[in-house]
Amino acid sequence: AQKVTQAQTEISVVEKEDVTLDCVYETRDTTYYLFWYKQPPSGELVFLIRRNSFDEQNEISGRYSWNFQKSTSSFNFTITASQVVDSAVYFCALSDMEYGNKLVFGAGTILRVKS
Amino acid sequence: EAGVAQSPRYKIIEKRQSVAFWCNPISGHATLYWYQQILGQGPKLLIQFQNNGVVDDSQLPKDRFSAERLKGVDSTLKIQPAKLEDSAVYLCASSYYMDATDTQYFGPGTRLTVL
Repeated sequence: AQKVTQAQTEISVVEKEDVTLDCVYETRDTTYYLFWYKQPPSGELVFLIRRNSFDEQNEISGRYSWNFQKSTSSFNFTITASQVVDSAVYFCALSDMEYGNKLVFGAGTILRVKS
Repeated sequence: EAGVAQSPRYKIIEKRQSVAFWCNPISGHATLYWYQQILGQGPKLLIQFQNNGVVDDSQLPKDRFSAERLKGVDSTLKIQPAKLEDSAVYLCASSYYMDATDTQYFGPGTRLTVL
């Protein structure tokens, strides 16, 4: 069965600090896709990244970086030099071939960045 | 390119009343999803359409929820009669394809409060 666990319910940091959001997943499939979405107070889920199970290279996009480790079934997200605008709920999600394009979400991590 | 549109953004109703939500997906996207997001949780899939056909409605409470996508574009989700536990954000998403490789793009959601 698919499962995504985001153990951190809420994180508070001061602006310019680095912060890492953890994501651990479970799937029986060998082909799967991992996603991160951002949900600001406005409510819309904003797509950040998609990673397939065959690509374990870390990815960097500006202040955002992602660390994918199949050995530990983790797909962690780091924000470098956090800003107040990064305050949001962040969701990790999983889809696999067995269940088509059905996204299974974690419970989300609330990130509060204080100035 | 216009994103996923949803209306209304907010709705407050009494229990046992009925309510309907509307979604217009990204142009050209064949697959449309409705999710329910209860406060403090990740979104949960209610129903998935491929063009105007239902692909998966296994999580839809069919005794009170219904959804349609008559012309393969816009979709409506209806609740009749509403219960207190239906208070949630209802998110619509769309994707070009219907497989695990494709990214779902979300609308701003409709926040429903049932009193």
